[in-house]
Amino acid sequence: NAGVTQTPKFRVLKTGQSMTLLCAQDMNHEYMYWYRQDPGMGLRLIHYSVGEGTTAKGEVPDGYNVSRLKKQNFLLGLESAAPSQTSVYFCASRVGWSQETQYFGPGTRLLVL
Amino acid sequence: SQQGEEDPQALSIQEGENATMNCSYKTSINNLQWYRQNSGRGLVHLILIRSNEREKHSGRLRVTLDTSKKSSSLLITASRAADTASYFCATEGNDMRFGAGTRLTVKP
Repeated sequence: NAGVTQTPKFRVLKTGQSMTLLCAQDMNHEYMYWYRQDPGMGLRLIHYSVGEGTTAKGEVPDGYNVSRLKKQNFLLGLESAAPSQTSVYFCASRVGWSQETQYFGPGTRLLVL
Repeated sequence: SQQGEEDPQALSIQEGENATMNCSYKTSINNLQWYRQNSGRGLVHLILIRSNEREKHSGRLRVTLDTSKKSSSLLITASRAADTASYFCATEGNDMRFGAGTRLTVKP
């Protein structure tokens, strides 16, 4: 099993450009999450999904959109990138609600100029 | 805003010593989890303690939870240089909230 994978690993964008980050998991997990981590800080939840076709807002959803068309994939979109979105983005998945650990991907470093 | 607040922000100890990190939070939770992050890598789950549990052990790790004080501690015994990493607590209530982390350095 590959676990949780993220594509791409690193990306540079110009202000106003758009892009999509892909998260894939092969563990048949129901729950998936997108976080961002800024220097010296913990993770902040952007959006999450409790199953195929469902999404919900987390702590810092503004400027991002997500889709979960397939159970194994969770996409994070930036429609018009801003320098404030420069961060490391982590995806995670878990079997189900509570009582269960999250498995994290290796992260995507995004630089918005 | 972040839910968990770790203390201290940074901790430097010698190999073989014990390391204690604390986490305080503000609202009621279902469980509290501790994660480890090596520089530039993703987070790795260490241990989960449920709101009705007071203490849990896993190898050299000991976690306590005091829901009346809204606090938790992570103890790493007999630390090794390989334990050098950042440690985060995460609380789960309506959603997941992470603290800013404790950066642990274990000197050989």
